[in-house]
Amino acid sequence: AQRVTQPEKLLSVFKGAPVELKCNYSYSGSPELFWYVQYSRQRLQLLLRHISRESIKGFTADLNKGETSFHLKKPFAQEEDSAMYYCALLTNSGYALNFGKGTSLLVTP
Amino acid sequence: NAGVTQTPKFQVLKTGQSMTLQCAQDMNHNSMYWYRQDPGMGLRLIYYSASEGTTDKGEVPNGYNVSRLNKREFSLRLESAAPSQTSVYFCASSDGTGVNEQFFGPGTRLTVL
Repeated sequence: AQRVTQPEKLLSVFKGAPVELKCNYSYSGSPELFWYVQYSRQRLQLLLRHISRESIKGFTADLNKGETSFHLKKPFAQEEDSAMYYCALLTNSGYALNFGKGTSLLVTP
Repeated sequence: NAGVTQTPKFQVLKTGQSMTLQCAQDMNHNSMYWYRQDPGMGLRLIYYSASEGTTDKGEVPNGYNVSRLNKREFSLRLESAAPSQTSVYFCASSDGTGVNEQFFGPGTRLTVL
């Protein structure tokens, strides 16, 4: 099975607190994983992908093959980080993405 | 550049009616996708087109047909709409394979009564 699990539907944190959005995957082989974000009234957009090993808007995500996880982290959450976050896995087709069900992040002042 | 555009933005259908959702991209991308987004279900792939002239089924293709009209356009057709097809539909495109960023359209909110 090529599956992504995001166990939290909603995550609420205070501004300035660390945040971790969890993503676990099921895949045979070397996975290609992504985080997409949808801000209110905006289009879904790519936040980061593990092959780039980049940090976008202060977010990072490390692939842990032993734990089959790709958790999204930010040390100090900002109110503008409030959004819906989706973890996605590239399937064997090489084109299709399997998305998790998403986690709604709410950062309160 | 407009990126990915979708029409219509909203649509209400009665059970059994048919309609076509239109999608176009101006980024000269080879690959295009159709997803549906349902509360608590995330995004699920309906169909995709790796390149002009090819289409493949995704996770939830039943009840839908697609046409890759040319490199720019990829349409999704509901032949006989059902209430279970009430959803928000997103079109996306990417340059090459799925390892590259997918760019999404604004979505079409469809209600089937």
